[in-house]
Amino acid sequence: DAGVIQSPRHEVTEMGQEVTLRCKPISGHNSLFWYRQTMMRGLELLIYFNNNVPIDDSGMPEDRFSAKMPNASFSTLKIQPSEPRDSAVYFCASSFVGANTEAFFGQGTRLTVV
Amino acid sequence: KQEVTQIPAALSVPEGENLVLNCSFTDSAIYNLQWFRQDPGKGLTSLLLIQSSQREQTSGRLNASLDKSSGRSTLYIAASQPGDSATYLCAVHNTDKLIFGTGTRLQVFP
Repeated sequence: DAGVIQSPRHEVTEMGQEVTLRCKPISGHNSLFWYRQTMMRGLELLIYFNNNVPIDDSGMPEDRFSAKMPNASFSTLKIQPSEPRDSAVYFCASSFVGANTEAFFGQGTRLTVV
Repeated sequence: KQEVTQIPAALSVPEGENLVLNCSFTDSAIYNLQWFRQDPGKGLTSLLLIQSSQREQTSGRLNASLDKSSGRSTLYIAASQPGDSATYLCAVHNTDKLIFGTGTRLQVFP
């Protein structure tokens, strides 16, 4: 397996534009996590899915953020409209829920909103 | 609410030293604990996974221990090398969530 794949790797956009980040989890994993990493706040859990169902989105900062997982092999995180304070690295991770759960991370998407 | 703390926040040591990085968590009802490494500008690489029923795990020069009752884990790095320089993060699987600590930034100088 190629691991967790995120796209794009880098995104620069203007304030007010819509941004869509994409994630392909490891095949067979049934949990997917979206994180945001900044120098000030470290790694923050935004939302996670089990079996394609959003379980906890309490970490999503505002209504401008939304996430979907239409099937087991694809998820998106959308920001609309984007703001400069959304600039961060966004990571996606996947795992198989259970006692032997080990999470694997993608390489992240570095988002810059100007 | 699970909170994960790592001490120290930063560490700078000469090559060859043995190191201990600390991780503490407030809710002992965890599935497991995972240690990650993050190089600057890169993603997270899993180093070790300790199940809640285990006391320790070893991989090469790395040894991680877990004391669930006291809410603590340590990552021991033997004979540190400059290539070990990175940020080390611990994360606990709490129900379905994976909650991260604040990280320890390690620099090993020649």
